[in-house]
Amino acid sequence: DSGVTQTPKHLITATGQRVTLRCSPRSGDLSVYWYQQSLDQGLQFLIHYYNGEERAKGNILERFSAQQFPDLHSELNLSSLELGDSALYFCASSVDLAGVRGKNIQYFGAGTRLSVL
Amino acid sequence: GQQVMQIPQYQHVQEGEDFTTYCNSSTTLSNIQWYKQRPGGHPVFLIQLVKSGEVKKQKRLTFQFGEAKKNSSLHITATQTTDVGTYFCAGRWIYNQGGKLIFGQGTELSVKP
Repeated sequence: DSGVTQTPKHLITATGQRVTLRCSPRSGDLSVYWYQQSLDQGLQFLIHYYNGEERAKGNILERFSAQQFPDLHSELNLSSLELGDSALYFCASSVDLAGVRGKNIQYFGAGTRLSVL
Repeated sequence: GQQVMQIPQYQHVQEGEDFTTYCNSSTTLSNIQWYKQRPGGHPVFLIQLVKSGEVKKQKRLTFQFGEAKKNSSLHITATQTTDVGTYFCAGRWIYNQGGKLIFGQGTELSVKP
């Protein structure tokens, strides 16, 4: 158990809908990262939050947004869903910003499997 | 943009054979991490390499970071069925934003008993 909790584990929805994925980081971790994993795309970095502030963006679509709350949990909002959004969404947390010298081990949650029908 | 190329995409071996996966970046990395994802599981951190030419071992696993800090490899000696999974390298660059990791595509290892 990594200590990172993601809910729900599975989500089935229809095209055009909106969903929210939730992540609770490990106790004490200030950084939360979101990744999308699909069969042919590997692990794609979406966005990084540190202590409530957005720190970096990856290939995140405009239909997707995220935030980190004062209690450090994070939510990833996916709207106007398309078939191609079906994937496994991982959240990871780490203790700090990690700089190049820091170890910055990322601990991954079990993921949310999103199926858009 | 920054990316890490990882090969091969798939590797099928007989139990007891060795296995190697390679990662390559076109630009110098500040460090590289390796993760393992078991089938149906989530990525789990294995190791981080920071220094040029660094070699680290974990039992049957040997990790190397190239002298130019642009490539890395993971070698497994005498594979076992417990080694099955996808191995990812993840690179970090000196000036990238907030320490984000860029993952390679992963190498899926299957081991035939």
